[in-house]
Amino acid sequence: DGGITQSPKYLFRKEGQNVTLSCEQNLNHDAMYWYRQDPGQGLRLIYYSQIVNDFQKGDIAEGYSVSREKKESFPLTVTSAQKNPTAFYLCASRLTGVGGGNQPQHFGDGTRLSIL
Amino acid sequence: AQKVTQAQTEISVVEKEDVTLDCVYETRDTTYYLFWYKQPPSGELVFLIRRNSFDEQNEISGRYSWNFQKSTSSFNFTITASQVVDSAVYFCALSEALRGGADGLTFGKGTHLIIQP
Repeated sequence: DGGITQSPKYLFRKEGQNVTLSCEQNLNHDAMYWYRQDPGQGLRLIYYSQIVNDFQKGDIAEGYSVSREKKESFPLTVTSAQKNPTAFYLCASRLTGVGGGNQPQHFGDGTRLSIL
Repeated sequence: AQKVTQAQTEISVVEKEDVTLDCVYETRDTTYYLFWYKQPPSGELVFLIRRNSFDEQNEISGRYSWNFQKSTSSFNFTITASQVVDSAVYFCALSEALRGGADGLTFGKGTHLIIQP
């Protein structure tokens, strides 16, 4: 089945450690996104990528990094510079092109990151 | 800058009641897209509906209906005869047409809907 796979489902980070969240999609979507969700809050955009080898910062990019070496994959690294990383992280993808703004984003099941 | 406001943080109703979730948006773009998503306790976001800014027709899908009014910048969502399975957090989101909307979605903070049996 086509979809977006995020792993792991739960992740724990030690102080000063970088961790990487995986996001893979087989929907053949060009655009991919990372969002952060805090309790009682909406989703906030961290990074997005419209094509391979290109990505842009979203509203809260500080302390995070991404790569887009393959169309299917958009991993997110939470660096030690991110002082408050505990949150629920959601990856999404979307068709682009003509009428692209009209296309909904499809989301993965999310990764819950906590500090040890 | 674009903004989405969902003023209702939490709504609790008894099963079979009708319930309306409010969404008010701000944008300077003349072409934009509005979405509703459902987030059940399991955490994934489920797409419910999208609406173009130039299409003000209301839409009904089973027990769900959406009322889009550009004059008041609102895109409200009504569930008729609510069921316990409707319990979830519901998000309204906005995408502007600039660059094909590829910049990502702007989300409201969500409304936690509780349907009591």
